[in-house]
Amino acid sequence: AQSVTQLGSHVSVSEGALVLLRCNYSSSVPPYLFWYVQYPNQGLQLLLKYTSAATLVKGINGFEAEFKKSETSFHLTKPSAHMSDAAEYFCAVSPHSGGYQKVTFGTGTKLQVIP
Amino acid sequence: KAGVTQTPRYLIKTRGQQVTLSCSPISGHRSVSWYQQTPGQGLQFLFEYFSETQRNKGNFPGRFSGRQFSNSRSEMNVSTLELGDSALYLCASSSPSNEQFFGPGTRLTVL
Repeated sequence: AQSVTQLGSHVSVSEGALVLLRCNYSSSVPPYLFWYVQYPNQGLQLLLKYTSAATLVKGINGFEAEFKKSETSFHLTKPSAHMSDAAEYFCAVSPHSGGYQKVTFGTGTKLQVIP
Repeated sequence: KAGVTQTPRYLIKTRGQQVTLSCSPISGHRSVSWYQQTPGQGLQFLFEYFSETQRNKGNFPGRFSGRQFSNSRSEMNVSTLELGDSALYLCASSSPSNEQFFGPGTRLTVL
């Protein structure tokens, strides 16, 4: 069984401030972990993914996430928020045991960037 | 490679009608998943097909069904439409490393 919990359905930050979006996972086997971003009226697109190669993962648009096994967390961060970062962000998990495994998504966090 | 395509992009139907949505995955991807997204319920998993077989199913009524063809293209059907079925329907195809690639979605409005 696997699941992800995203703390905070809405997060507001000032432009230039640190972005921190929280994700905790539950998985009975070593996981793959993903962060996706969705802009209004579009599909989701991959920001970054953890596949056990390195615990600190860098993604597109200056985002990064750190896999912490002891805390079962995979929080998404960006040092300085930009207006264009306003979107909805989804954390997702799948088993790290073979291909084409089921992917489970969190409920999403809407990020608002205040000028 | 071409991305995931979904047709149509927009649909307007009336209550009681049925609708069929289509999804063409990225070439070589064998798994296709469908999601319903609404402002109230967020992103909800409908079902997943792999090599023409439904492998996983979310908690939706039997009015929601799907299928996958031998070329991995997938369709989903909703019968006896209700107002609450108005949503963005997203299709995603999976790579062997479980990365999901999403299409732009079909916006269904039920009047």
